[in-house]
Amino acid sequence: AQSVTQLGSHVSVSEGALVLLRCNYSSSVPPYLFWYVQYPNQGLQLLLKYTTGATLVKGINGFEAEFKKSETSFHLTKPSAHMSDAAEYFCAVSFSGNTPLVFGKGTRLSVIA
Amino acid sequence: GAVVSQHPSRVICKSGTSVKIECRSLDFQATTMFWYRQFPKQSLMLMATSNEGSKATYEQGVEKDKFLINHASLTLSTLTVTSAHPEDSSFYICSAPSGTGELFFGEGSRLTVL
Repeated sequence: AQSVTQLGSHVSVSEGALVLLRCNYSSSVPPYLFWYVQYPNQGLQLLLKYTTGATLVKGINGFEAEFKKSETSFHLTKPSAHMSDAAEYFCAVSFSGNTPLVFGKGTRLSVIA
Repeated sequence: GAVVSQHPSRVICKSGTSVKIECRSLDFQATTMFWYRQFPKQSLMLMATSNEGSKATYEQGVEKDKFLINHASLTLSTLTVTSAHPEDSSFYICSAPSGTGELFFGEGSRLTVL
C-alpha cells in the first residue's frame, strides 16, 4: 500500500523567504511522485513530478523538489516566496502513470507581505 | 498538453434530485478515469475508477447506487449523484492518465444540495 504524509497542515512564510513544504511517502515499489497546487474553488494544477531519472526535479513557478529514496522524501522548495504562491499544496504518489494517485492531506501556504 | 474538461463547474440542486457531472478528455483517449471527492479544507479521496466499456471499480465505503459512473466512450466518463442529499455536497474532481506518467485533472465540480 502507498501513503503520503505532509508535515504541517499550514505553513506561513514572509514574501521573499524560502518555501519548504515537506512530504514523506511509503511505497512497496519505486514510486511516481507529484506535487499539485490548488487555488480556492479550482481544480489541481501539476507543479512537478518525479518518475525516473534525475532526482532533482524542476517545476513551474520556480518550484523544485528532490526525490531522496533513503529518506523516502520529496520535499517541495522555492527560493523566494511570492504572494501569488499562497494556495493549498498536495503531495501525491502512485505506482505508475496509469494508476490513481494517493494524496497527502495537503499543506496550506500563506505568504505574508 | 493533454486537457481534461469537467462540466458543470458549479451545480445547485434540491434534495432528492439527481445530478450528472461530465468528464471529457479533449485531446487524448482515456480508457480509465478516476473520480475523486474533496470535502472542504480536506484532501482528495478516490471514489472510483471508471473503465471504458465495463463496470466502474468503487473504493471501499462508496455507495455504488448513490454514485453511478458510466464510461461510454474513450473520451467521456460521467458521475451521477442520485437522490442527492445535503451530505453529498462536495467538490468532485475527475482525472485521466495521459499514458506518459501523469494524471490530468478536470477543473472540478462543486455540488451544493439544498
